[in-house]
Amino acid sequence: EPEVTQTPSHQVTQMGQEVILRCVPISNHLYFYWYRQILGQKVEFLVSFYNNEISEKSEIFDDQFSVERPDGSNFTLKIRSTKLEDSAMYFCATKVDQGGDTQYFGPGTRLTVL
Amino acid sequence: GENVEQHPSTLSVQEGDSAVIKCTYSDSASNYFPWYKQELGKRPQLIIDIRSNVGEKKDQRIAVTLNKTAKHFSLHITETQPEDSAVYFCAASPLGTGANNLFFGTGTRLTVIP
Repeated sequence: EPEVTQTPSHQVTQMGQEVILRCVPISNHLYFYWYRQILGQKVEFLVSFYNNEISEKSEIFDDQFSVERPDGSNFTLKIRSTKLEDSAMYFCATKVDQGGDTQYFGPGTRLTVL
Repeated sequence: GENVEQHPSTLSVQEGDSAVIKCTYSDSASNYFPWYKQELGKRPQLIIDIRSNVGEKKDQRIAVTLNKTAKHFSLHITETQPEDSAVYFCAASPLGTGANNLFFGTGTRLTVIP
């Protein structure tokens, strides 16, 4: 069964550095999402992406964050200048189309900001 | 925006007993309610979902009920087994409007005692 994949599995960075988290969606899926989960807390929506543009974003997704799908396969989340509070597990999720229900989650990238 | 509350935060049951987890939501536009199981360090995995046009759905030992009027839905696991031990998240989403982001509850840590 196809799965969403994410790289890296763990990223350690210094505060103020830029990080790029990568996701490879399931091949025929058209909707892409980023969620984050701070340790021990619930999963929070960051942003959704469809047809090469942002569909919706949460208040967490400020100017330090950006998303793109540069090569038609990878879906990336960039954090321009990381803060300590950005430390979390970041999950990519994908959905086949607007009529589909299920969002399939990737294994996550654990981001640690020192 | 949508606010999903989930209770209890932790639940311990003896193997073979039933477990019930309850969620409430605030946005009457939400019409899709998935439940995800997350084992330690792994991705959230969909275990069952329900749309607002039905009141109950069952899949083997797992069932979900929805009371649209009261805006609450519940997960029922019967004949619990040790492998059911995990964190369970409920979520709500307004399907059919935009990208249909998921709004998650705070999670329930279920421990099944052998």
